[in-house]
Amino acid sequence: QQKVQQSPESLSVPEGGMASLNCTSSDRNFQYFWWYRQHSGEGPKALMSIFSDGDKKEGRFTAHLNKASLHVSLHIRDSQPSDSALYFCAARASSGSWQLIFGSGTQLTVMP
Amino acid sequence: DPKIIQKPKYLVAVTGSEKILICEQYLGHNAMYWYRQSAKKPLEFMFSYSYQKLMDNQTASSRFQPQSSKKNHLDLQITALKPDDSATYFCASSRGGASYEQYFGPGTRLTVL
Repeated sequence: QQKVQQSPESLSVPEGGMASLNCTSSDRNFQYFWWYRQHSGEGPKALMSIFSDGDKKEGRFTAHLNKASLHVSLHIRDSQPSDSALYFCAARASSGSWQLIFGSGTQLTVMP
Repeated sequence: DPKIIQKPKYLVAVTGSEKILICEQYLGHNAMYWYRQSAKKPLEFMFSYSYQKLMDNQTASSRFQPQSSKKNHLDLQITALKPDDSATYFCASSRGGASYEQYFGPGTRLTVL
């Protein structure tokens, strides 16, 4: 079973709308979470990290972490066509391997 | 200027051959990684190196061998190529430690015929 599950697989929102992406992990050793964005033909690029319970806001992007439920979300307000990309949730344990465990991704399309 | 260089961008190989994927990073990081992305699976961790030493290997096959000739280089040698090896291979780097962001290169897209 995949340790990091993302939903939905794909999402379409109108320009200016709100996009909400979800991620649930099945490993309580995960302490560090990132949201990565990947445009077609490029490598993934980190959008933001979140390590503590609660909300973290950076511009139009807000991440939320609930460690008790192992749930992470990303909300994009005022979505722009340039936000259209593949979004990944990634998690890492605090000790041991430094590998990132990625979810399967959410394909976001922002319609002009 | 790109901070992580991967060469080549595209690579076509025949089954049974051997190829080397090149990665150089100019971010001053001491940890480097290889990940693989295919249509069937999410980004998969393969290897991590710190100060040119292997830290973690999650690749079941010995056909995949990382090579670190310099602190900022981590190449990936793949032998006896199979069609299932077709994927995009990403190199990444970070500062040492679990809480540091990993920066990814542009990837090498490998197709095995």
